[in-house]
Amino acid sequence: EVVMTQSPATLSGSPGERATLSCRASQSVSSNLAWYQQKPGQAPRLLIYGASTRATGIPARFSGSGSGTEFTLTISSLQSEDFAVYYCQQYNNWPPITFGQGTRLEIK
Amino acid sequence: QVQLQESGPGLVKPSETLSLTCTVSGGSIRGYYWSWIRQPPGKGLEWIGYISSSGSTNSNPSLKSRVIMSVDTSKNQFSLKLTSVTAADTAVYYCATDRRPGYFNWFDPWGQGTLVTVSS
Repeated sequence: EVVMTQSPATLSGSPGERATLSCRASQSVSSNLAWYQQKPGQAPRLLIYGASTRATGIPARFSGSGSGTEFTLTISSLQSEDFAVYYCQQYNNWPPITFGQGTRLEIK
Repeated sequence: QVQLQESGPGLVKPSETLSLTCTVSGGSIRGYYWSWIRQPPGKGLEWIGYISSSGSTNSNPSLKSRVIMSVDTSKNQFSLKLTSVTAADTAVYYCATDRRPGYFNWFDPWGQGTLVTVSS
């Protein structure tokens, strides 16, 4: 099983600031990585797939990078609606599909 | 625009079977892979398994012995049964799919989720 480890567990930021979230895989997953945003009481929303491709309707301030075992989700300028929990997910080696444990992005 | 909706009992007794159905609207169930994902309260996401519209399945090895999935193309529905449940199975259960026919990679869209509590 590919273990996905996200860091930090919690990130504090202010509106307008840049946020960088990390995701590490226990073995190479090539570029087969997705990022999701989840707000309280809601289902996750797909943000990024293929490590760097924004899903339909996702604002340009969200960007993904990385390949192999190290990945980054960057939010260039935090908006109030961006404070949420973010998950990475690998789909290179399955079963099982695996998710990271999440990074909570909170308002400073 | 495909939409998914989970339904089923919100309370299940320990050792019994959890049963959920996901209804697909706005598109056909045929040609796609349909997944179940769960999230214990306050915790992360766990993929349970998928079923294709033709009935082929694949499950998380950690749950495989207890997971039964089925599909009813005439009703545009697919279902999950999880047997011998314990309190550790208490979670919000989501159904989800990869909207591209024949692909199973990422999940979009998702259902709204349904909370299932295991308790006597």
